[in-house]
Amino acid sequence: SQKIEQNSEALNIQEGKTATLTCNYTNYSPAYLQWYRQDPGRGPVFLLLIRENEKEKRKERLKVTFDTTLKQSLFHITASQPADSATYLCALGRLNYGGSQGNLIFGKGTKLSVKP
Amino acid sequence: KAGVTQTPRYLIKTRGQQVTLSCSPISGHRSVSWYQQTPGQGLQFLFEYFSETQRNKGNFPGRFSGRQFSNSRSEMNVSTLELGDSALYLCASSLRLAGGSYNEQFFGPGTRLTVL
Repeated sequence: SQKIEQNSEALNIQEGKTATLTCNYTNYSPAYLQWYRQDPGRGPVFLLLIRENEKEKRKERLKVTFDTTLKQSLFHITASQPADSATYLCALGRLNYGGSQGNLIFGKGTKLSVKP
Repeated sequence: KAGVTQTPRYLIKTRGQQVTLSCSPISGHRSVSWYQQTPGQGLQFLFEYFSETQRNKGNFPGRFSGRQFSNSRSEMNVSTLELGDSALYLCASSLRLAGGSYNEQFFGPGTRLTVL
């Protein structure tokens, strides 16, 4: 069955360091992958989208890589700040309809804590 | 542009009751998806509506239903509530059909449902 795993439930790092979050998947061929940020009591907020034919995407301090051979995406936050503390969700997307999981399948998220 | 709104934000119900949740998408967005989020299962897809038609449905029992109106506003209904239905229910809107292109989804703040 299709499976998405985010490497850890929680990640603690020091301010100024680079946070690296991992998203692995099996039995799935996504057309694209998205990363969302979710703060407590709020809905997820879209951060970045990377397509299957793209290796890397950047946006300010954020960088996403996508390796369809390894079936893995890495999400980096450079020069991390306490304000980056949140839960980060990866979501795999496909373009064709069908199946009961919808077109976006979410991982369970990694809770990032950045300590000053 | 106003974001996705959901009402009510919090609900407390007892087993056996039914509940209706409402979602107003971003103006111009025609696709509305519903998700259930729990600590154990993460974000799970319920259904997607586009142009008043259900386009996709997740693996949830028939007690979960929804509809979309001509103004794209959507409601979801849960009948005969069970304790396990306690969750954060999130609505997300997107400009186009979720499976039609590389869509980001805009999430509302969610409705926190507690079933006693």
